[in-house]
Amino acid sequence: DGGITQSPKYLFRKEGQNVTLSCEQNLNHDAMYWYRQDPGQGLRLIYYSQIVNDFQKGDIAEGYSVSREKKESFPLTVTSAQKNPTAFYLCASSLDRGSSYNSPLHFGNGTRLTVT
Amino acid sequence: GENVEQHPSTLSVQEGDSAVIKCTYSDSASNYFPWYKQELGKRPQLIIDIRSNVGEKKDQRIAVTLNKTAKHFSLHITETQPEDSAVYFCAASDAGNMLTFGGGTRLMVKP
Repeated sequence: DGGITQSPKYLFRKEGQNVTLSCEQNLNHDAMYWYRQDPGQGLRLIYYSQIVNDFQKGDIAEGYSVSREKKESFPLTVTSAQKNPTAFYLCASSLDRGSSYNSPLHFGNGTRLTVT
Repeated sequence: GENVEQHPSTLSVQEGDSAVIKCTYSDSASNYFPWYKQELGKRPQLIIDIRSNVGEKKDQRIAVTLNKTAKHFSLHITETQPEDSAVYFCAASDAGNMLTFGGGTRLMVKP
C-alpha cells in the first residue's frame, strides 16, 4: 500500500498564497486523481489524469490546477482563487483509465491543508 | 451524471451485532460498486467490491448485495468488532469508469 506518497502530511498557509501538494506513485498506474474531503462529507473529484500530459476537470475544479508531466507525478496547486481551501486532500491512482473491478482506486495517505 | 446517496450517516452498534449500510445510485449504466473503509486520519482502503453482473459477494465477515432493478447496494458486516469502527464509503462507477462516492457512514462499535 505504500505505492502512493503524498507530502507533506500537514500544510499551513496564509490566505492569498498558492500552495502545491505533491503526489507520487510507483505502481506504474496510468490514471491519477485528486479528491477533496470535508468533515462529514464524501470524496469529491477535483481533477484527474488518464495519461501523461493530459488531464480533465472533475466536479469541483475551480480554484485548483494540476500538471502531469511524468507518469509518476500529479501535483495539485491550490490557488488563491479557491474560496474554501481548508480540507483534507487525497490523491489516488488506478491501473487503467478509470476505476473498475480490474482497476480499483488506490489512495495516498492524504494532506491536511489549513489556510488562515 | 451519477448521484450516490448513502444511509445512515452515523451508525452505532454493540460489539457482536450486525451493521448494514445502504446506498442508492441513479445511473442505470453503472457497473462497478466498491466499498472503502477509512480509519481516523488514514487513507480510504478498498474492503470489498462487486460488479453489476453479480448479486452478492462475501468475504469473511463482510458482504455486499446489489439490486440492479432498484439501483441500490448494501454493505453487511456481521459479528462487529471495535476495529470495525471507521467511516465507510460506497461508490458507483459509471460507463466511463469514473467513480462517484456516497457521503459516508461513521460506524461506531461499542465494546
